[in-house]
Amino acid sequence: AQTVTQSQPEMSVQEAETVTLSCTYDTSESDYYLFWYKQPPSRQMILVIRQEAYKQQNATENRFSVNFQKAAKSFSLKISDSQLGDAAMYFCAYGGSQGNLIFGKGTKLSVKP
Amino acid sequence: EADIYQTPRYLVIGTGKKITLECSQTMGHDKMYWYQQDPGMELHLIHYSYGVNSTEKGDLSSESTVSRIRTEHFPLTLESARPSHTSQYLCASSERVGDEKLFFGSGTQLSVL
Repeated sequence: AQTVTQSQPEMSVQEAETVTLSCTYDTSESDYYLFWYKQPPSRQMILVIRQEAYKQQNATENRFSVNFQKAAKSFSLKISDSQLGDAAMYFCAYGGSQGNLIFGKGTKLSVKP
Repeated sequence: EADIYQTPRYLVIGTGKKITLECSQTMGHDKMYWYQQDPGMELHLIHYSYGVNSTEKGDLSSESTVSRIRTEHFPLTLESARPSHTSQYLCASSERVGDEKLFFGSGTQLSVL
């Protein structure tokens, strides 16, 4: 069975600095998708970034980028130029052949002004 | 903003009451989900649906039931609420199976006294 592990329950970053959130997963599949979702306090969870496993190029979305290491089964999220609005729970998720996403337990990110 | 709506946003009820949490989406998505989010913020899939007249149980056993009579509507019902049902309930939808990019509602925070 696939698993997703986020080893950092909480992280903190200074405004305008860069922070990296870690995620590892376990799977025997070769085709799958990986996601980072953001859940701000009392607000809707939204998709931050998505990576197809067959693509070697790391996905980027403005200040958000990933470091996808397929062999190591690692999928970290880098947030550059952190802003106060980046403070949220961040969930890493795996999507494979079973059809439903498997979520990690989340990392709570605080941004200090 | 995603076009998926949950009502009510907050609900406080007494033990033994029957309740229905509403979820609607206007994106024409076939697949819909209900997640229970525990106080530690971990997400647990409790129900999902592939489309009209399809309902499946998720990874976490739940005493709730769901129905899918219309594509856009996926309500969750608790016949007799108990304090153990106190939780945040998140509804989500996705455009297609496999590429599980999820759109989430704002959630219902349920408190059972």
